[in-house]
Amino acid sequence: GEDVEQSLFLSVREGDSSVINCTYTDSSSTYLYWYKQEPGAGLQLLTYIFSNMDMKQDQRLTVLLNKKDKHLSLRIADTQTGDSAIYFCAGSGSGYSTLTFGKGTMLLVSP
Amino acid sequence: EAQVTQNPRYLITVTGKKLTVTCSQNMNHEYMSWYRQDPGLGLRQIYYSMNVEVTDKGDVPEGYKVSRKEKRNFPLILESPSPNQTSLYFCASSSRYEAFFGQGTRLTVV
Repeated sequence: GEDVEQSLFLSVREGDSSVINCTYTDSSSTYLYWYKQEPGAGLQLLTYIFSNMDMKQDQRLTVLLNKKDKHLSLRIADTQTGDSAIYFCAGSGSGYSTLTFGKGTMLLVSP
Repeated sequence: EAQVTQNPRYLITVTGKKLTVTCSQNMNHEYMSWYRQDPGLGLRQIYYSMNVEVTDKGDVPEGYKVSRKEKRNFPLILESPSPNQTSLYFCASSSRYEAFFGQGTRLTVV
């Protein structure tokens, strides 16, 4: 089945850009997702990208997909303290219905 | 407003006492699922349901049961909870492109 790996921790200063990386194993993953989890809250979908795309931009968020290396990244421009959270990468290896999550990257933004 | 509602949000129980965590969605989705979240392990799928009366095991189904008698509800049942089921549980309801998550249920089994 699908396996998704992420770095566990990232610390940045407010105003800098953050880049969170993810690698996945299933080359047939149709959709790849980024979710955000704030303390004590559920998961909020930030963005997703189809496997036939290389890049997707949505306001401060940019997702890059390198299918050859099976590498996905999320760039947050002008990172704010409110962006501090855990970010999960997830892939759907066998259709949209089954998501495999990475272990999550904790992003800490300091003033 | 699109919603996935889980109850209860917090639960402390004793080993062996049957419990049910409810999940309800108002989006008419066919697909629903349960995940548990544990430190260092991320989210792992317990069970999922493709439609009414259709359920299947996820990655970590041992010790859990589910039912899907109606489209909107997908309860998670722990017949005999054990301390290793202490975790944060999330219900999700999915459209084709997006999974909507409930707020989570923090379960402690002592």
